[in-house]
Amino acid sequence: KAGVTQTPRYLIKTRGQQVTLSCSPISGHRSVSWYQQTPGQGLQFLFEYFSETQRNKGNFPGRFSGRQFSNSRSEMNVSTLELGDSALYLCASTPQGSTDTQYFGPGTRLTVL
Amino acid sequence: GQQVMQIPQYQHVQEGEDFTTYCNSSTTLSNIQWYKQRPGGHPVFLIQLVKSGEVKKQKRLTFQFGEAKKNSSLHITATQTTDVGTYFCAGLHAGNNRKLIWGLGTSLAVNP
Repeated sequence: KAGVTQTPRYLIKTRGQQVTLSCSPISGHRSVSWYQQTPGQGLQFLFEYFSETQRNKGNFPGRFSGRQFSNSRSEMNVSTLELGDSALYLCASTPQGSTDTQYFGPGTRLTVL
Repeated sequence: GQQVMQIPQYQHVQEGEDFTTYCNSSTTLSNIQWYKQRPGGHPVFLIQLVKSGEVKKQKRLTFQFGEAKKNSSLHITATQTTDVGTYFCAGLHAGNNRKLIWGLGTSLAVNP
């Protein structure tokens, strides 16, 4: 099976802009979770989508949003970018839910200038 | 709130030395997962522990789950340069609020 794919792999934006990241899960996996990873902060859970519905949410502001399509592909959007949003954004897919073994994609490295 | 503390934050060893990272939870866990992230890479699942007192081995890696299911450890015997990376634990808290809580990771550097 192909692994989790994420596009784009690298992105440079300026403050105030918005960005959309994409994640394609492993075939057959219905749950997609998104994480933000920054040095010293580890993996911060953003949200989980399952069957096109947001099932779990972390403690991030409303500027961070996501959605999932019927083919389980997911997108996350960050509006009004801030310098502190610079991070590696990882998505992980699992067959059933965000508490199962996480299969991570390679991540999108976002730099906000 | 629910936390998983992971120590140490960094560890620098000579190749051939042993290495251990510890995770401690403030509440009882249903299970704990371990992941490894190589520099520039993404986290990769290593193992899941479920039973109280469980011990699992993967070649030079030994994983333990405490009797009270509140702590866990990963021990690497005779480290190699291929062991370099950050090791994360992620605990699933028992009870209704089923969320995976991640430790901050232990970064391992190995001197050849």
